[in-house]
Amino acid sequence: EAQVTQNPRYLITVTGKKLTVTCSQNMNHEYMSWYRQDPGLGLRQIYYSMNVEVTDKGDVPEGYKVSRKEKRNFPLILESPSPNQTSLYFCASSPLEDYEQYFGPGTRLTVT
Amino acid sequence: AQSVTQLGSHVSVSEGALVLLRCNYSSSVPPYLFWYVQYPNQGLQLLLKYTSAATLVKGINGFEAEFKKSETSFHLTKPSAHMSDAAEYFCAVSTNQGGKLIFGQGTELSVKP
Repeated sequence: EAQVTQNPRYLITVTGKKLTVTCSQNMNHEYMSWYRQDPGLGLRQIYYSMNVEVTDKGDVPEGYKVSRKEKRNFPLILESPSPNQTSLYFCASSPLEDYEQYFGPGTRLTVT
Repeated sequence: AQSVTQLGSHVSVSEGALVLLRCNYSSSVPPYLFWYVQYPNQGLQLLLKYTSAATLVKGINGFEAEFKKSETSFHLTKPSAHMSDAAEYFCAVSTNQGGKLIFGQGTELSVKP
């Protein structure tokens, strides 16, 4: 089944404790992206990647890192999480020749 | 720069009534427009998309949307609401293949029995 998977789905952590949210897609898509969803703000892009070893900032990149060492994986790294990063995070992917993006199930992160 | 505005953060309709969720966009180039639905505790599911073909787009679950360039709108409609339509709906715009989606703020749809 073609899909985007994220792990973990739920995470509660404390301020300053480094964490990684994994994202993997099995559709051989070049483009991958991370969004965060906050009430009243919709989804905002954090980082994106056009292909392996090619990443760039989105609209809200502060406090986040990403890497793209393999085409299928695009982990989101929070080196020192803070409470303002409490949010619902979505990973998405698409082929470069398409406009539609395919979303993962989301990761709900709480930073206390 | 592109932007999307969804009018009304909450919309409530009775079961069987018309559903109308409003979306206006701003784009300096021909846009590609999407409606996504998010059911409680789930991810985003594509309802329908406009990619410069027919201006009236039909999607899943009986939803449709009409692209009106003169009004810069892409409103979502469904003739008869069902209880299972209760969810949050997001309008989004893109101007790049394999590129960023710009989302509206979302509209939560409630359906009353």
